[in-house]
Amino acid sequence: AQKITQTQPGMFVQEKEAVTLDCTYDTSDQSYGLFWYKQPSSGEMIFLIYQGSYDEQNATEGRYSLNFQKARKSANLVISASQLGDSAMYFCAMRGQAGTALIFGKGTTLSVSS
Amino acid sequence: SAVISQKPSRDICQRGTSLTIQCQVDSQVTMMFWYRQQPGQSLTLIATANQGSEATYESGFVIDKFPISRPNLTFSTLTVSNMSPEDSSIYLCSVWGQGNNEQFFGPGTRLTVL
Repeated sequence: AQKITQTQPGMFVQEKEAVTLDCTYDTSDQSYGLFWYKQPSSGEMIFLIYQGSYDEQNATEGRYSLNFQKARKSANLVISASQLGDSAMYFCAMRGQAGTALIFGKGTTLSVSS
Repeated sequence: SAVISQKPSRDICQRGTSLTIQCQVDSQVTMMFWYRQQPGQSLTLIATANQGSEATYESGFVIDKFPISRPNLTFSTLTVSNMSPEDSSIYLCSVWGQGNNEQFFGPGTRLTVL
């Protein structure tokens, strides 16, 4: 069975600082995908970044990067230069076989202060 | 990309009644997914809906409580039956984009059961 673990219920950071949100996963699949989503208070689910299990390079999307350590089964999200608008809930998620549903972690609430 | 709309966006219902949530996608997709997000919690998969076949339900969710229809490749409905206050949640539908590198979500239906 697949499992996603996010151990940080809440994180606090000041504007312009970098922050790392932790995510570990467990799966027996050889091919899988790892995802991060942002959910602001409005409730919409905003896709941030994707990492495939066979990708050799860590994924990056603007201020977001995914620190993928396959042997440790971790997929941490790094947000550089935090902004007030980054305050939200962040979910790590995984899919196994292509086309199957995402399994989500419990989420981390990020609060950015000025 | 995929654009997903849901109706209603929110509703307040009395216990013992049923509510049907509609999900419309702007492109044809094989699978549609229904998730539940209870207050302050993560997303939990309810079921996977394939066009032309019965939906596949996850452990803890049954067809009598959450019947799903999938009449064509762009539309699905989820009914929450015989509601209780514990059914108060956000219900989201989602689909994969091409390449299975991003799962798109609808805006959600916020359900409150009194």
